[in-house]
Amino acid sequence: AQSVTQLGSHVSVSEGALVLLRCNYSSSVPPYLFWYVQYPNQGLQLLLKYTTGATLVKGINGFEAEFKKSETSFHLTKPSAHMSDAAEYFCAVSDRREYGNKLVFGAGTILRVKS
Amino acid sequence: DGGITQSPKYLFRKEGQNVTLSCEQNLNHDAMYWYRQDPGQGLRLIYYSQIVNDFQKGDIAEGYSVSREKKESFPLTVTSAQKNPTAFYLCASSPLRLKSLSGANVLTFGAGSRLTVL
Repeated sequence: AQSVTQLGSHVSVSEGALVLLRCNYSSSVPPYLFWYVQYPNQGLQLLLKYTTGATLVKGINGFEAEFKKSETSFHLTKPSAHMSDAAEYFCAVSDRREYGNKLVFGAGTILRVKS
Repeated sequence: DGGITQSPKYLFRKEGQNVTLSCEQNLNHDAMYWYRQDPGQGLRLIYYSQIVNDFQKGDIAEGYSVSREKKESFPLTVTSAQKNPTAFYLCASSPLRLKSLSGANVLTFGAGSRLTVL
């Protein structure tokens, strides 16, 4: 069974600093990979996804993530944090061998941005 | 605008009562999903449906029931058998993925319904 581990339930950065949110997956075959963002009491919004091809994926709001097969990782980064980035971030995987689009989510990382 | 509408946004229930959460989408998506969110646990799949009149259990289906009588609607009933129903419930939809290795379809999420059992 696939699983997702997000290291750090809470991450705090200063405004303008680098954001790094970590995600590792466990799967015998590299899955499809996603990052979603959730603002308080709202649904999830897709930031970016990796399916195939270029391993560095750019998403919305200046975020990007790099798929590293050797490390089974898909860490999310942003060069300069903004106050509006404060939210909860979820890494998710989908088994490319299966029909359908079921997602398995990590536990989430709450990002706090300090002024 | 196309999207997913969940209602009610907030719901309070007494122990022993069944409640039904509504999920409607106008995206013309075939597949629909229900997830439960608890603090520090991420999202866990309750039920999903890939076509009208058909649905499958997810990882935590016990104490829940669903129906899929129309393509655009996928209501979730939280029954009295659910031991710890207080949570945030999220509905999602996506196009149907018919073949493996055919590329990933993105899930679109509703704004969620927060259920509190008193």
